[in-house]
Amino acid sequence: DTAVSQTPKYLVTQMGNDKSIKCEQNLGHDTMYWYKQDSKKFLKIMFSYNNKELIINETVPNRFSPKSPDKAHLNLHINSLELGDSAVYFCASSPGVPYAEAFFGQGTRLTVV
Amino acid sequence: LAKTTQPISMDSYEGQEVNITCSHNNIATNDYITWYQQFPSQGPRFIIQGYKTKVTNEVASLFIPADRKSSTLSLPRVSLSDTAVYYCLVGFLTGGFKTIFGAGTRLFVKA
Repeated sequence: DTAVSQTPKYLVTQMGNDKSIKCEQNLGHDTMYWYKQDSKKFLKIMFSYNNKELIINETVPNRFSPKSPDKAHLNLHINSLELGDSAVYFCASSPGVPYAEAFFGQGTRLTVV
Repeated sequence: LAKTTQPISMDSYEGQEVNITCSHNNIATNDYITWYQQFPSQGPRFIIQGYKTKVTNEVASLFIPADRKSSTLSLPRVSLSDTAVYYCLVGFLTGGFKTIFGAGTRLFVKA
């Protein structure tokens, strides 16, 4: 059983398109996150949801919008994709507190051409 | 927001003990220190977490001095499979449960 699963694993799309990345966790965790890892491998938090409520919203463009339909899902929708959005996006979850052990998905490699 | 500083890379040989230090001068009272390991094309994986003094689990030890301005991840007897990037993370409550990953340390273990 995969604890945190993301789909798709790879995503290649053209500039200006809108795309979504889905994330699901079967661990029963209360908190879910989206991280972005750029080409230099810096890993930065984008959003965090706790029990479907947004608790962290870092400085990311408004084109990025997270959606949490329930505690087990946190999807990331990106509008008007730009070349600079190319990166690996990781979903993660943790049991309630942000500095508890977090479980990461395998990542979604987004390439904007 | 607290920042962390780690060495960019380290080399070691199989069987040696490896110590990776992370500086976090602005760590706050409620902050915890967590270390993650990341292999290529995989998500980070939790290694160890601590608040003060020393924490040990089956894979690593974490040493935190009294002032908590730094921490050291110790990997005993590394093997080739320990070649990875190691991230130091400081988690704090101020500002809404924000967490910051350090830039990461690339560890190369040689035969």
